[in-house]
Amino acid sequence: NAGVTQTPKFRVLKTGQSMTLLCAQDMNHEYMYWYRQDPGMGLRLIHYSVGEGTTAKGEVPDGYNVSRLKKQNFLLGLESAAPSQTSVYFCASSYDRENYGYTFGSGTRLTVV
Amino acid sequence: EDKVVQSPLSLVVHEGDTVTLNCSYEVTNFRSLLWYKQEKKAPTFLFMLTSSGIEKKSGRLSSILDKKELSSILNITATQTGDSAIYLCAVDNQGGKLIFGQGTELSVKP
Repeated sequence: NAGVTQTPKFRVLKTGQSMTLLCAQDMNHEYMYWYRQDPGMGLRLIHYSVGEGTTAKGEVPDGYNVSRLKKQNFLLGLESAAPSQTSVYFCASSYDRENYGYTFGSGTRLTVV
Repeated sequence: EDKVVQSPLSLVVHEGDTVTLNCSYEVTNFRSLLWYKQEKKAPTFLFMLTSSGIEKKSGRLSSILDKKELSSILNITATQTGDSAIYLCAVDNQGGKLIFGQGTELSVKP
């Protein structure tokens, strides 16, 4: 049971480049989330999904897009990367709205130069 | 706007000390408060609190919720170097997602 797997683990992008971060879970969870973590700011929600085919904006959605075409996968896209998007990105999933113990991925460290 | 605030933001103690971490919240529809420990990578779940005044305990860690004061504390007794981590507080506002505080970075020196 792999839990939540994020790829890639590290990436360096040039300003203006695009990329997609992949989150995959094998726990049949309905809810999936993308957070970014910056020093002194905790985890801030970018986008989330309450089921296959659905997405919603979180606290800091600008500059990002997401898709949930399959229940087990949640993709986070950066169309035109900016230095302000340098961060550590975490994906998480949960079974239902009770939010009991999100399962987190191990994170993706992204640097935009 | 819903908000979660943790204090202190960082803390340095010596092994054997007892520490108290604070979390306060302002949310419109409170469901539960959760504590996580984050070492090098992904946060790991510690406690979920829904009722005021009932202490949750796991080994040397304990936590309690005060709904009147809109706050929670996380206590760690007899700290060890392995307790060094970022401790995150999060609140479920019944919107299908968690709102996190800034985190408290705890460093335990030998």
